[in-house]
Amino acid sequence: GAVVSQHPSRVICKSGTSVKIECRSLDFQATTMFWYRQFPKKSLMLMATSNEGSKATYEQGVEKDKFLINHASLTLSTLTVTSAHPEDSSFYICSARAIGTLNYGYTFGSGTRLTVV
Amino acid sequence: AQTVTQSQPEMSVQEAETVTLSCTYDTSESDYYLFWYKQPPSRQMILVIRQEAYKQQNATENRFSVNFQKAAKSFSLKISDSQLGDAAMYFCAYRRGGTSGSRLTFGEGTQLTVNP
Repeated sequence: GAVVSQHPSRVICKSGTSVKIECRSLDFQATTMFWYRQFPKKSLMLMATSNEGSKATYEQGVEKDKFLINHASLTLSTLTVTSAHPEDSSFYICSARAIGTLNYGYTFGSGTRLTVV
Repeated sequence: AQTVTQSQPEMSVQEAETVTLSCTYDTSESDYYLFWYKQPPSRQMILVIRQEAYKQQNATENRFSVNFQKAAKSFSLKISDSQLGDAAMYFCAYRRGGTSGSRLTFGEGTQLTVNP
């Protein structure tokens, strides 16, 4: 079945540095990538939606300059947290939608736990 | 805007028993899809079951089944013969139909505990 590989699974970074999270679709072409943020025991909060080759569409309240999303190819999307601060610590999950799948085809990455110290 | 509501933050069930998780949604669309996702402690999101709104028949996947009441906008998940591995956070989700690649809207989640 469709697999999305998300790396790193865990990352600790110092305040003020940037962190890049990658999501790769291993056996399909992802036309659309969704990026979520999840706090402990809470639901997934959509941050942005990106389509291959286009600029990402950010949800209200999400800083586009802090959370840079790139979807340059049909198999790779990245989320860069720039100038990270402790409040950016969270669990980030990507979800891909593939070309040619049925309308319900979403595949989730395994998530990245970001800790900013 | 579409909303999804899960009114049970926590549920528990004895192993081998049956439990039902509730979900209601609000939409003005006629074409949509509903999903139940499971998120175990590993936090990997796993699709449990899906339902197309145009289908009257309730979806079933082994021990998992749904009760889809379109008029009432209700979409509950029944887990039969509960197993320890069913313990997880369960999310109900909605997606508008069509080919626009629209996002999933998630409910707040229900934490299911399975007691041995």
